[in-house]
Order: sequence, then C-alpha cells, then structure tokens
Amino acid sequence: GAVVSQHPSRVICKSGTSVKIECRSLDFQATTMFWYRQFPKQSLMLMATSNEGSKATYEQGVEKDKFLINHASLTLSTLTVTSAHPEDSSFYICSARGGGTYSNQPQHFGDGTRLSIL
Amino acid sequence: DAKTTQPPSMDCAEGRAANLPCNHSTISGNEYVYWYRQIHSQGPQYIIHGLKNNETNEMASLIITEDRKSSTLILPHATLRDTAVYYCIVRVPSGNTPLVFGKGTRLSVIA
Repeated sequence: GAVVSQHPSRVICKSGTSVKIECRSLDFQATTMFWYRQFPKQSLMLMATSNEGSKATYEQGVEKDKFLINHASLTLSTLTVTSAHPEDSSFYICSARGGGTYSNQPQHFGDGTRLSIL
Repeated sequence: DAKTTQPPSMDCAEGRAANLPCNHSTISGNEYVYWYRQIHSQGPQYIIHGLKNNETNEMASLIITEDRKSSTLILPHATLRDTAVYYCIVRVPSGNTPLVFGKGTRLSVIA
C-alpha cells in the first residue's frame, strides 16, 4: 500500500528554536499534501493544504509566518515551525494523496512528529 | 466541522465481530465515506472507503445504507491490536479537499 514517511518522529528543543519536519510519499506522487496538528485527547485539526509548486492554503487561525510549508516536489513537503514556543508543543501529522483533481483516492498519513518545546 | 456522528466508545470481545456505526444524514450525492483508525501515538491508518455499494477488503467490510445516510464498518474477527479510535469521514472527490476529522469512536477490544 501507499507509504508516507515522516521525520523526525520526536523532537525536543528549547524555546525560540526553529524545527523542520519532513514528509515524503515513498511509492506514489502526492499531488496534494496536508498538515494536521493533534493535541492530547483531541482529534486531528487541519493546519494547511499544499500542492506541489504552489503556496500552501492555511486554515483560519493558523499563522502562515510561523508554520512555513514548502511543497517543492511531488514526493516531499516540509513544515517548519519557526521560533517555537511551549504552546507549539503538539503531535504534527502529514498526509498525502495521489491521483488527479477529482480523485477519490484516500489520503495516507505519516506516523507523526511529537514536538516538545521546553 | 465534521459531517458525521459516531458513538464515543464501544467495547468488543476478542474474536467477535466489531460493528461500528456512523450517521451521515446530510451526505451529498458525490461524497464518499471513508474510514480510518488511529492507534495511540501513531498517524491515522486508512481502512476502506465507498460511495454507495458495500465494500470489502482484507481489513474490513463497509456497509452503506441504501439512502446513504448511515454506514457500518465491520471488523469480522476483532483482535487486541484493533483497539483504536475509528473515524468515519465523508468527502467530495476533489484533489484539494481534505479529510475533516470528528471525534471518532474509541473501540476497546477485550480479551
């Protein structure tokens, strides 16, 4: 089946540090990638949607200057949390979907990155 | 906002079938029903999806009512490893349309 690889799986760093998370589709071309965030005991919340070579579309309330998304190729997207603070500590999960514009193909998810800001 | 309603929790005995219901009474004609599950501290895992016909794969069966206002995910022989939060999601087949997660059903498989 389709595989999405996400790295790193866990990050612990000091407040003010910038952290980059990579998301790769290993065996398919991801025309669209999505980034989600999940706080403890809550469901996944969509942060942004990105297409290869285009600027990401951010959900309301998500700061685009704080969460930088780059979708440089059909197999790679990165999320950079800039100047991270303790309130940014969360479980970040990427997702990718292949197929065309009207595809019913499912989204496939990475295993997530647990970010802890001290 | 999620367009589906699921019970918050269910228990199932190991080896028995687990039947997880989902209501999606406002589903539109071109929306698909997707099922995912999330085991603790992992990313969601795709299970199955369908439009109007019943579907079956190696993991589960999906039964969609004729009026498409509800569906049931069936795990035929539940094991302890099936303990997870199960999400039922409806989505239009458009490339940029994301999956919107509700609260799901926490299934506990009991030995």
